[in-house]
Amino acid sequence: DTGVSQDPRHKITKRGQNVTFRCDPISEHNRLYWYRQTLGQGPEFLTYFQNEAQLEKSRLLSDRFSAERPKGSFSTLEIQRTEQGDSAMYLCASSSGLQGRTAYNEQFFGPGTRLTVL
Amino acid sequence: QKEVEQDPGPLSVPEGAIVSLNCTYSNSAFQYFMWYRQYSRKGPELLMYTYSSGNKEDGRFTAQVDKSSKYISLFIRDSQPSDSATYLCAMSGYSGGYQKVTFGTGTKLQVIP
Repeated sequence: DTGVSQDPRHKITKRGQNVTFRCDPISEHNRLYWYRQTLGQGPEFLTYFQNEAQLEKSRLLSDRFSAERPKGSFSTLEIQRTEQGDSAMYLCASSSGLQGRTAYNEQFFGPGTRLTVL
Repeated sequence: QKEVEQDPGPLSVPEGAIVSLNCTYSNSAFQYFMWYRQYSRKGPELLMYTYSSGNKEDGRFTAQVDKSSKYISLFIRDSQPSDSATYLCAMSGYSGGYQKVTFGTGTKLQVIP
């Protein structure tokens, strides 16, 4: 399967614990995005990487959240001291570089990691 | 006010019906207008996109964008049970050198055989 993969698919943790999620993008894609999706809502942007550089972070990304993409390939999203409000689906997406002003650089999404904080 | 508004539904239609899904938006800088489909427990997948105003057709699906009214639509003809999913409108414009995407809340569609 050459699509975006995420691991784990499900994570149940207790409040206060740290969790880490991994995303493996499509191999030739240099752009990687993290989103959070809660029940009944659309995905909300968290952060964006171009290669290994983290170029934008949403205000949703509190200081308990950190994301890395050390070699410009896979990425990790860590949540420290989890809270019940962190329960959500965490989606990763990847895309290629700009194709021109009239082309949308499709973001290909992974299956997500569903986090439940008890 | 959210940048993108979408009726959450749910919407239930009989097989073969024409489905109309709609979104409104407030940000005039949006240039790309997309429709994603999301099946339960899956990530969203792109159905189609339109650049600026106009119509685009792909099989049973037609996307319309009216930038003057800040209104976009997706029409599904001859709806099938396999079309049952959540449909997310999404919009983007350039921000910091990349296409930042803003999603609607999604409309859950059920097509009844």
